[in-house]
Amino acid sequence: DAKTTQPNSMESNEEEPVHLPCNHSTISGTDYIHWYRQLPSQGPEYVIHGLTSNVNNRMASLAIAEDRKSSTLILHRATLRDAAVYYCILSLAGNTPLVFGKGTRLSVIA
Amino acid sequence: DSGVTQTPKHLITATGQRVTLRCSPRSGDLSVYWYQQSLDQGLQFLIQYYNGEERAKGNILERFSAQQFPDLHSELNLSSLELGDSALYFCASSPRQGAGDTQYFGPGTRLTVL
Repeated sequence: DAKTTQPNSMESNEEEPVHLPCNHSTISGTDYIHWYRQLPSQGPEYVIHGLTSNVNNRMASLAIAEDRKSSTLILHRATLRDAAVYYCILSLAGNTPLVFGKGTRLSVIA
Repeated sequence: DSGVTQTPKHLITATGQRVTLRCSPRSGDLSVYWYQQSLDQGLQFLIQYYNGEERAKGNILERFSAQQFPDLHSELNLSSLELGDSALYFCASSPRQGAGDTQYFGPGTRLTVL
């Protein structure tokens, strides 16, 4: 399985932007890049996904490197509610179950 | 609210027993996935069904089985329970089964085996 590498933890101040990095150097051409997050005591929640181009939605932005070997999830203004574990996952073409790593635990400081 | 429902929310049982966890997917979603989350193993994929048929299998023990019914709800059966089966069990659903499909997760069932 193609693997992703994320920092174990990150910290941000409230109302500041947060850039969460993810390396996926063995990504193949048809792999989608997904980001999910898991708030305490809840199920994982979809954040955003993309294939080649940068993506924006109401929750976040996804910046994908030109060679697709890394990506960055951008939360434009962190709130206390954004404190969660963020997972960067490659969805293998033709194989849809998600393979979760350890993710990045984001702490937001008021 | 993801639209995926799971029952029960909590389940406490003894070793050797059998339990059934239930999942109702979002309206219109054909794929159902089961995941297990334990402290030491993290989130692990167990099994996927698509429109009533098994499509993918992950780290699912032989003591565990699942099925998806004609109305698309799914059940995960866990038998001969062991202490190590204590975990959160999540169900997720997606419209189809493509690599770009978003999965929507339910709130989970917390299983405690005593």
